[in-house]
Amino acid sequence: DAKTTQPNSMESNEEEPVHLPCNHSTISGTDYIHWYRQLPSQGPEYVIHGLTSNVNNRMASLAIAEDRKSSTLILHRATLRDAAVYYCPHYGGSQGNLIFGKGTKLSVKP
Amino acid sequence: DVKVTQSSRYLVKRTGEKVFLECVQDMDHENMFWYRQDPGLGLRLIYFSYDVKMKEKGDIPEGYSVSREKKERFSLILESASTNQTSMYLCASSPRHGQPQHFGDGTRLSIL
Repeated sequence: DAKTTQPNSMESNEEEPVHLPCNHSTISGTDYIHWYRQLPSQGPEYVIHGLTSNVNNRMASLAIAEDRKSSTLILHRATLRDAAVYYCPHYGGSQGNLIFGKGTKLSVKP
Repeated sequence: DVKVTQSSRYLVKRTGEKVFLECVQDMDHENMFWYRQDPGLGLRLIYFSYDVKMKEKGDIPEGYSVSREKKERFSLILESASTNQTSMYLCASSPRHGQPQHFGDGTRLSIL
């Protein structure tokens, strides 16, 4: 099964950019790269996904390495409300569903 | 925006009770999922469904069953609740396999 690795935690200052890395060295050529985040006391929230090209939406940007073995979620100006656990799940299991690891806990300092 | 609604945010039940957790989505999604989330273990898939009356076991189905009689509703059933089923339960839906999943806010279930 493919697997992803992320740092356990990261810190950022408010209004500064944040780059959250994810390694997915065994990803297959047709699997999308997904990012989710989970705010305290809420369910995970979809952030962004992409296949090969970089992607932008109102929440974040996704930079995908040319070899697709890594990706970076970019929050252009972190706010206190961005403090959350960020996941880049991988496809796996018996049915090829998304498997969520422990994610990266992002702390944002005022 | 997609809305996934779970019937309760907090629930307290007793050991041996039959417990029903309900989930409803309003976007005509084909796939629905039930996860549990425990500290240090991440999200673990219990069951999922890719169509009405269809279900597939996830990674930890023991002690659980599911029902999907209508496309918008997916129920998780704890046949005889035990204390080790105390957890946060999360429901999600997605349009098709591999597409982004949309989650509810979760049900924090305590079994006493």
